[in-house]
Amino acid sequence: EAGVTQFPSHSVIEKGQTVTLRCDPISGHDNLYWYRRVMGKEIKFLLHFVKESKQDESGMPNNRFLAERTGGTYSTLKVQPAELEDSGVYFCASSQAGVGELFFGEGSRLTVL
Amino acid sequence: GESVGLHLPTLSVQEGDNSIINCAYSNSASDYFIWYKQESGKGPQFIIDIRSNMDKRQGQRVTVLLNKTVKHLSLQIAATQPGDSAVYFCAETPVGGYNKLIFGAGTRLAVHP
Repeated sequence: EAGVTQFPSHSVIEKGQTVTLRCDPISGHDNLYWYRRVMGKEIKFLLHFVKESKQDESGMPNNRFLAERTGGTYSTLKVQPAELEDSGVYFCASSQAGVGELFFGEGSRLTVL
Repeated sequence: GESVGLHLPTLSVQEGDNSIINCAYSNSASDYFIWYKQESGKGPQFIIDIRSNMDKRQGQRVTVLLNKTVKHLSLQIAATQPGDSAVYFCAETPVGGYNKLIFGAGTRLAVHP
């Protein structure tokens, strides 16, 4: 069974540009999460989808970040316009219904120059 | 704000020795704790978890201890192997947190032959 996959693995963009990260959760997992780790800091929660609905987006840093999960399958996280402080590794994770083990993807490293 | 932290940023051990990684948490309302292992270039991988109604749980070569009195969590790895070299994160979930994990900063475990 395929795990959580994320694309791209690494993206280098200039300040002010737009980047879209994609996450494909494990098939059948209703819960999808985005986390990120900026340089030298802890991994922090961004938001949580249950199927296509946003359950909790309290961790989204500002309105430059937009997450979607149309159809309740894969999810995208768009950063527009990107700023230097957005650099870091963005992790996606998924789990089955209810509280269960989170399975993380390998992360998408974002570098904003 | 409430957070989960780690006492030691780096731990070096000899192959075959036992390793102990410690974590302090501040949210007494948290009821679920997890240890994750992250190898270079990969996402966090679940190791072991424990609920607040327990004080000890054992897995294969790993044991997690929870001391709610002093809000302390530890991960013990028996007979540490080179493959155990990684960054270890503790994480907590508040009651009803639906896997909205709060991560600690991480401890790097370096295993020497």
